[in-house]
Amino acid sequence: RKEVEQDPGPFNVPEGATVAFNCTYSNSASQSFFWYRQDCRKEPKLLMSVYSSGNEDGRFTAQLNRASQYISLLIRDSKLSDSATYLCVVNIREGGSYIPTFGRGTSLIVHP
Amino acid sequence: NAGVTQTPKFQVLKTGQSMTLQCAQDMNHNSMYWYRQDPGMGLRLIYYSASEGTTDKGEVPNGYNVSRLNKREFSLRLESAAPSQTSVYFCASRGPDRVTEAFFGQGTRLTVV
Repeated sequence: RKEVEQDPGPFNVPEGATVAFNCTYSNSASQSFFWYRQDCRKEPKLLMSVYSSGNEDGRFTAQLNRASQYISLLIRDSKLSDSATYLCVVNIREGGSYIPTFGRGTSLIVHP
Repeated sequence: NAGVTQTPKFQVLKTGQSMTLQCAQDMNHNSMYWYRQDPGMGLRLIYYSASEGTTDKGEVPNGYNVSRLNKREFSLRLESAAPSQTSVYFCASRGPDRVTEAFFGQGTRLTVV
């Protein structure tokens, strides 16, 4: 079982829709949490960090529930340019190091 | 603002050939990582280096070796390439704090025929 699990999708939504992605993690040594965006054939890029109190950046809202080991990303008013793969990433402590550990990604397709 | 630089961007190898993927970062990060990404599998860790002079195996280390040449550079070597190593390889680096994010290079698309 992978340490970070995501629904691969694809999520196919019209412009203007609200879409939510979920991610669960299993390792209790998980220390910090992120959502990355990856466009086709490109490198992953940080979308936003996820804080315990929840955080918002424009149309994007991230939530963390440590008790349930669950992270979410909400995208409001979807744009065509939001089409991408969204990767849930958890920094897991291993020895004295922190290892960025990835979910398999959730594919989002926003159509006109 | 170079960040993380990987070379080459594309490579085709014949089975049994060797090659080294180069990675350098200019952010003074201690930690560096090599991942491979295959369709449907997400990014899987091959090796990582927590600091200059140390390297450790990740989830899928077989068939690979690494060298942390100095704080800036972390190379990945395929001694005898196999078709199963056809993949996209990403190098990443990260700052020292547990909450800092990883920064990625642009990737190397490797095909082994």
